Amino acid sequence: DAKTTQPTSMDCAEGRAANLPCNHSTISGNEYVYWYRQIHSQGPQYIIHGLKNNETNEMASLIITEDRKSSTLILPHATLRDTAVYYCIVRVDPLNNDMRFGAGTRLTVKP
Amino acid sequence: SQTIHQWPATLVQPVGSPLSLECTVEGTSNPNLYWYRQAAGRGLQLLFYSVGIGQISSEVPQNLSASRPQDRQFILSSKKLLLSDSGFYLCAWGRLAGGNEQFFGPGTRLTVL
Repeated sequence: DAKTTQPTSMDCAEGRAANLPCNHSTISGNEYVYWYRQIHSQGPQYIIHGLKNNETNEMASLIITEDRKSSTLILPHATLRDTAVYYCIVRVDPLNNDMRFGAGTRLTVKP
Repeated sequence: SQTIHQWPATLVQPVGSPLSLECTVEGTSNPNLYWYRQAAGRGLQLLFYSVGIGQISSEVPQNLSASRPQDRQFILSSKKLLLSDSGFYLCAWGRLAGGNEQFFGPGTRLTVL
């Protein structure tokens, strides 16, 4: 699976958009980009995933560059409850479906 | 809807004692099941995964083992705990299909003293 690189931490003002970048320059054509988040002392929560096209759901938007070497997770109107560690994961979808998490980005939403 | 349960929520055990953590999933059949461990301030480490009853794949050599006695039950065990086994243990389930996400349980925080 391709390795990902994320900033260690980011701050965002409440009500503003939070843009979390992820580099995955070694991504291969059959690898998906996933985003999860983990609020302190809880299990990770799935946010969104994509392959090539940009994706949007009720939680966030995922923008994947045309060469697929990087992506950005966008929380359009960050709230204090969005403070969490955000994980970008790139993986093939093998039969075993395992998911390998890195250190992630600690997002702090400030009032 | 699907739900995933883990227990206990917290556990304090002495070094050398046995361990049994249980995970059950409701509302789905034949899920892929996973055990992860998260050490303090670090990302998740995949420990075991299972694609069916009795089928266990180990990702990291260690003194832990996993079993899947039923379709929606996944158990993490140890005969003798080490100090280094302390951490946050997470169970997850996933669907068998392309590009699908995993759903995590609430976790068990294990402290080995």
